Amino acid sequence: AQTVTQSQPEMSVQEAETVTLSCTYDTSESDYYLFWYKQPPSRQMILVIRQEAYKQQNATENRFSVNFQKAAKSFSLKISDSQLGDAAMYFCALIQGAQKLVFGQGTRLTINP
Amino acid sequence: KAGVTQTPRYLIKTRGQQVTLSCSPISGHRSVSWYQQTPGQGLQFLFEYFSETQRNKGNFPGRFSGRQFSNSRSEMNVSTLELGDSALYLCASSPGLLAALQETQYFGPGTRLLVL
Repeated sequence: AQTVTQSQPEMSVQEAETVTLSCTYDTSESDYYLFWYKQPPSRQMILVIRQEAYKQQNATENRFSVNFQKAAKSFSLKISDSQLGDAAMYFCALIQGAQKLVFGQGTRLTINP
Repeated sequence: KAGVTQTPRYLIKTRGQQVTLSCSPISGHRSVSWYQQTPGQGLQFLFEYFSETQRNKGNFPGRFSGRQFSNSRSEMNVSTLELGDSALYLCASSPGLLAALQETQYFGPGTRLLVL
């Protein structure tokens, strides 16, 4: 069975600085996709970034980038130039042959002004 | 394009009652999935519907059921409500089946259900 683990329940960062959120996963499949979703206090789940397992190049979306280490089964999210609007719960998720998104437990990110 | 919409946004029920939640996907999206989010269990997959057929199901009892209409709108029903069913229920849509793996799911704002 696939699992996703986020070992940091909470993180905080100063505004304008960089923060990295960790995620490890376990799957026996070779074909899978990884996602980071953000859930602000409004509770709406928003896609931040996605990574295809077959791609070696790390995905980037503006201030958000990932460090995808396939052999280590690690998928961390880096947020550069943190902004107050980045404060939210961040969820790492995996989809593979089981055909459903499996989520980690989430990391609550606080931005200090 | 309008996003995924869910109704109602908030609901209070008592044990033993049943409830129906509704989800309208993004226009053109044919797959609708439902998730339950609780503080203890986190986010858990309930089921996926595509072309009016249930394609995948999570580990939930038979009290949880759903359906999808020809316009891709979906409803989720929970019968004989228990206190533990209190949760945020999230609906997500994607253009195609999740089995394609490359599909990205877009989530609605959720329905918060409180069972007393």
